[in-house]
Amino acid sequence: DSGVTQTPKHLITATGQRVTLRCSPRSGDLSVYWYQQSLDQGLQFLIQYYNGEERAKGNILERFSAQQFPDLHSELNLSSLELGDSALYFCASSARGFSGANVLTFGAGSRLTVL
Amino acid sequence: DAKTTQPPSMDCAEGRAANLPCNHSTISGNEYVYWYRQIHSQGPQYIIHGLKNNETNEMASLIITEDRKSSTLILPHATLRDTAVYYCIVLTGGGNKLTFGTGTQLKVEL
Repeated sequence: DSGVTQTPKHLITATGQRVTLRCSPRSGDLSVYWYQQSLDQGLQFLIQYYNGEERAKGNILERFSAQQFPDLHSELNLSSLELGDSALYFCASSARGFSGANVLTFGAGSRLTVL
Repeated sequence: DAKTTQPPSMDCAEGRAANLPCNHSTISGNEYVYWYRQIHSQGPQYIIHGLKNNETNEMASLIITEDRKSSTLILPHATLRDTAVYYCIVLTGGGNKLTFGTGTQLKVEL
């Protein structure tokens, strides 16, 4: 158990639908990161939040959005789902120092299947 | 952030040392070298990181060349459970966009 909790573990839905993935970071970590891993794309950085504020953006589609709440948990919202959105979605957290090394701890992931 | 080059695959006999190389010839002075691994569809797992000096922890050793243009991750006594994709990543100190390439698929065999 890495200390990063992701729910749900598995999710099956239909095209056009909307889903929400949830992440609770490790105790004491202020930063949350979201990654997408599909078969043909590898691990892709989507977005990072630090203490409730967006800090970095990667290859996140406009149909996707995220937020980090005051209790530091984060949610990734995926809407107007397409078949190509089927993937593993990983959340990671870190203490997020602004200098020096930045080590990420990953959760077990949420597997999304869009039919 | 500097790019890295890793062999796509490697094999290792169980109980032997696994030496995984990584080239990062464009690395700059404030960039760290990180190693993560991913065991089939599990979340990536942090292994070790270093800046200039060699590092060792309970999982592995990291050897960084003096010019910092390459490094080697050493798993001293590989087991079957070490079979995974190993990612070498270079990132500026304080950097937050950890970018995973294709990594090295390490297969540990009996």
